Amino acid sequence: KNEVEQSPQNLTAQEGEFITINCSYSVGISALHWLQQHPGGGIVSLFMLSSGKKKHGRLIATINIQEKHSSLHITASHPRDSAVYICALNFGNEKLTFGTGTRLTIIP
Amino acid sequence: DAGITQSPRHKVTETGTPVTLRCHQTENHRYMYWYRQDPGHGLRLIHYSYGVKDTDKGEVSDGYSVSRSKTEDFLLTLESATSSQTSVYFCATGQGSAETQYFGPGTRLLVL
Repeated sequence: KNEVEQSPQNLTAQEGEFITINCSYSVGISALHWLQQHPGGGIVSLFMLSSGKKKHGRLIATINIQEKHSSLHITASHPRDSAVYICALNFGNEKLTFGTGTRLTIIP
Repeated sequence: DAGITQSPRHKVTETGTPVTLRCHQTENHRYMYWYRQDPGHGLRLIHYSYGVKDTDKGEVSDGYSVSRSKTEDFLLTLESATSSQTSVYFCATGQGSAETQYFGPGTRLLVL
């Protein structure tokens, strides 16, 4: 059973485009994380949110608790944004449940 | 960067041999996690620790054991490696999964 679904699985866009990556889940959560995995394999945490919206530079993360849905937006995309973006859920315990990721490729 | 290192970074071993992976942190984080990452799957939790000598199983713990004798080190042992354990292993640390997790660079393990 997939508790977390990400879409699309793959996304290719031109430099400068506005990017949206989606994460949907089926049961209540206490927090949602967005992570970025670089082509070299390293994983960094981008956002942790439990309500509303957070912004960091060109990245914006939103969550709608009632609809059980979160989006990660990238404005003015750049080839260096090419990576796998991973959504992870916390259900109120010590663990995270991870989505399978969205592979983003930005073409110059 | 939370100062998390993993060793070795790459390892090739044969089926049936024991393997130990090490995760070392310098941030004094209470929680440490071991994940594996395989194509078609999200990161999956193997074991985690919530303090020295305090560990618990994750969703894919069969065939793995862990130990944490001091805050900064978390060891993952494959007692008898199998080909199904070929994977990329990530260590992460944090103050709790409701908080940000910081990931190590990963260890690529190939079991022949």
